[in-house]
Amino acid sequence: DTEVTQTPKHLVMGMTNKKSLKCEQHMGHRAMYWYKQKAKKPPELMFVYSYEKLSINESVPSRFSPECPNSSLLNLHLHALQPEDSALYLCASSQGAWTGSSGNTIYFGEGSWLTVV
Amino acid sequence: AQSVSQHNHHVILSEAASLELGCNYSYGGTVNLFWYVQYPGQHLQLLLKYFSGDPLVKGIKGFEAEFIKSKFSFNLRKPSVQWSDTAEYFCAVNFGGSGTYKYIFGTGTRLKVLA
Repeated sequence: DTEVTQTPKHLVMGMTNKKSLKCEQHMGHRAMYWYKQKAKKPPELMFVYSYEKLSINESVPSRFSPECPNSSLLNLHLHALQPEDSALYLCASSQGAWTGSSGNTIYFGEGSWLTVV
Repeated sequence: AQSVSQHNHHVILSEAASLELGCNYSYGGTVNLFWYVQYPGQHLQLLLKYFSGDPLVKGIKGFEAEFIKSKFSFNLRKPSVQWSDTAEYFCAVNFGGSGTYKYIFGTGTRLKVLA
């Protein structure tokens, strides 16, 4: 079973709605990620938080707004989305700082299926 | 630019056949290498990983992978596939050495095992 928990599992929203995706991990990991996965495509990195600070933003449109309230929680706030934003949104976490030979395994949650109508 | 390529996009095998899926990356520095599996309608699960040491790593469900540094490759193998191995397989590379958290995924290989 995954130790990265995402809610909701399914979300349908209109283009004018504001909604949020939530992610939680209790593995003591200090890096947390949002990925977007379209059908039959690989996951694409959106954001990375490292030690609760935004570390990577892969030029994601501002209608997606990440937030990391603490080391265990990661949110993705959604506003004015487009139908093409419909996808599986994956949260993931890893230990944090590059640990050299120990590596840095990334663990995924089950994802939130988002449909924009 | 750092990239990960999986040359086999679709593979169809009969049960008990042997499997080898290719993964190549472009980067000469320190990397961590992973294979993930995604069963239909499910989330990504880690099959195995390579950080350092023995280049032949064993994972779950009878899978193994070999890191060949000179070829920038990390191919996934299984001696005898089962119908339940039908899934999508993703190679992922963490291009590290400078504390980057950038994990790049290959395009995936869709495996279908015929019973």
